[in-house]
Amino acid sequence: GAGVSQSPSNKVTEKGKDVELRCDPISGHTALYWYRQSLGQGLEFLIYFQGNSAPDKSGLPSDRFSAERTGGSVSTLTIQRTQQEDSAVYLCASSLRQGPSYEQYFGPGTRLTVT
Amino acid sequence: GENVEQHPSTLSVQEGDSAVIKCTYSDSASNYFPWYKQELGKGPQLIIDIRSNVGEKKDQRIAVTLNKTAKHFSLHITETQPEDSAVYFCAASLADRGSTLGRLYFGRGTQLTVWP
Repeated sequence: GAGVSQSPSNKVTEKGKDVELRCDPISGHTALYWYRQSLGQGLEFLIYFQGNSAPDKSGLPSDRFSAERTGGSVSTLTIQRTQQEDSAVYLCASSLRQGPSYEQYFGPGTRLTVT
Repeated sequence: GENVEQHPSTLSVQEGDSAVIKCTYSDSASNYFPWYKQELGKGPQLIIDIRSNVGEKKDQRIAVTLNKTAKHFSLHITETQPEDSAVYFCAASLADRGSTLGRLYFGRGTQLTVWP
């Protein structure tokens, strides 16, 4: 079946512009996670959704970052007034339910470059 | 919060040799430890995981060991093949901490290269 998809695959934007990154989870998966992967770094947790609610937003690095999920499916990560340090690969993962008993399936990521 | 350290950052082995990657974690409450393999241009993929009530787990050429007392866990790949070349990430999860349920804390990754 279809896996997690993300769009766009690559995004180049100018400093100060807003960007939206999209994640389509596996159908039926109720939990959705956003991570950020900077060059030479591990994956940094950003935010987690259970259904449409986000019980854990603690990983968002600043108030320029926000995310929403509608219909318990598609999620959008928005970065306002982008900065060069926002350049990274943004990964989305989904799992059937929340919790470590359920494998997180990752999408291919969106590579964001802020010039 | 949890802090996961991973070593080495790069590892080169000859085809057929074994490869070992080690991770340590800081929070004794962590009880789930997955390992992910990430190939170029792709998202990470789970290859094996272990829970804190188990000391070792094997799946064909891959094994993971866990030492709860020392708070470290390791990935062992035997009879390595060129297709094992990828970046490997360890992670830990604080599975019993309310809203952080399922959140993974990752190490920085190990670039494994297997030479034919």
